[in-house]
Amino acid sequence: DTGVSQNPRHKITKRGQNVTFRCDPISEHNRLYWYRQTLGQGPEFLTYFQNEAQLEKSRLLSDRFSAERPKGSFSTLEIQRTEQGDSAMYLCASSSIQGRTEAFFGQGTRLTVV
Amino acid sequence: GNSVTQMEGPVTLSEEAFLTINCTYTATGYPSLFWYVQYPGEGLQLLLKATKADDKGSNKGFEATYRKETTSFHLEKGSVQVSDSAVYFCALPLFSGGYNKLIFGAGTRLAVHP
Repeated sequence: DTGVSQNPRHKITKRGQNVTFRCDPISEHNRLYWYRQTLGQGPEFLTYFQNEAQLEKSRLLSDRFSAERPKGSFSTLEIQRTEQGDSAMYLCASSSIQGRTEAFFGQGTRLTVV
Repeated sequence: GNSVTQMEGPVTLSEEAFLTINCTYTATGYPSLFWYVQYPGEGLQLLLKATKADDKGSNKGFEATYRKETTSFHLEKGSVQVSDSAVYFCALPLFSGGYNKLIFGAGTRLAVHP
């Protein structure tokens, strides 16, 4: 296992289009997180999955955003009707449920909405 | 609530100079503390961590000591290299409903020139 994998690495889309990103966590990790990082800022929490259950959604996650983790393995993050303000790096992280708190991050998907 | 404050960057140093990046935190209790590093165009990598007061985390020549008296977790390195040029994030977990999401500082950009 080589770590958390995210695809695509880069995505350029026109305003109003839908986009979907994928995250494959470390295989034995049952906790999965999505974060958003805008230019010059630290990552901000978006949502959390424990296995297939989505247990928390940040207020940053508007109705245009939806995330799934259908079988408790990979996760997808979809943004509908993209806006220029959605341009950011979307980071996925995973961690073990064994009480340890460090999360391991993927390389991120950089979204540019034009 | 939990929060993290980092010194603003950029920090520009010559190779072999001494590095300090300040981080202070506000938290309930004594959470673990982390430093993550982000190289250009990449996701976040865990650099080091400390799990309790007076712990010293270290990795790749970087060190940080968890000081509860001053609520600080400053990152230091005795002799920086050009390859250390990156953005450094201080982070702590916010315990929420049985799991931890990370709260990040805004990041400090380090540029090391030969």
